[in-house]
Amino acid sequence: ETGVTQTPRHLVMGMTNKKSLKCEQHLGHNAMYWYKQSAKKPLELMFVYSLEERVENNSVPSRFSPECPNSSHLFLHLHTLQPEDSALYLCASSQGGGQGAIGYTFGSGTRLTVV
Amino acid sequence: DQQVKQNSPSLSVQEGRISILNCDYTNSMFDYFLWYKKYPAEGPTFLISISSIKDKNEDGRFTVFLNKSAKHLSLHIVPSQPGDSAVYFCAASDGGSQGNLIFGKGTKLSVKP
Repeated sequence: ETGVTQTPRHLVMGMTNKKSLKCEQHLGHNAMYWYKQSAKKPLELMFVYSLEERVENNSVPSRFSPECPNSSHLFLHLHTLQPEDSALYLCASSQGGGQGAIGYTFGSGTRLTVV
Repeated sequence: DQQVKQNSPSLSVQEGRISILNCDYTNSMFDYFLWYKKYPAEGPTFLISISSIKDKNEDGRFTVFLNKSAKHLSLHIVPSQPGDSAVYFCAASDGGSQGNLIFGKGTKLSVKP
């Protein structure tokens, strides 16, 4: 497998459930990101990990909990979500460093529906 | 407040003609700009970029123009092809070691045969 792989592709969960989204990159990148894409809104940066350490958390509610066990894997743990959290969650990776995120590679996303 | 704005949610163009997608930004610290293309059910893919020290970058049918004084950039596609139909996101970075990207809402381009 190459590139950035996200699983599952689709997820429907109740507001009391606990689920996790998984992202895996095979590009040798050292930074990984979670983005949220809601209808009619820009892609919103949620979390940034660099060298497995969280370097940014953009005021994301605590019901979203990221985990980066190594430079190739990134998880987003979900619990007690709200219907307004329904969105496309995109993972990305990059080599980081210097002039912008050259080589930012996105996964195909997980379409999350909270019922 | 949005730092990167794409004010046209959609654009329809005839095949063979030029497509012009516009993007405005508010943060003067942005020093690198990118365009991403997204097909349905796929993640965005990198298309073309430009550094703030340049005003134009060309790659085949795609050209990005940057007007720093107006805080405006545009993506020109010529000639447009039906396969170009997708959502185009403008993104900006303020550099730094992580190069986090700030995205616009996207413009849906439809190229009609």
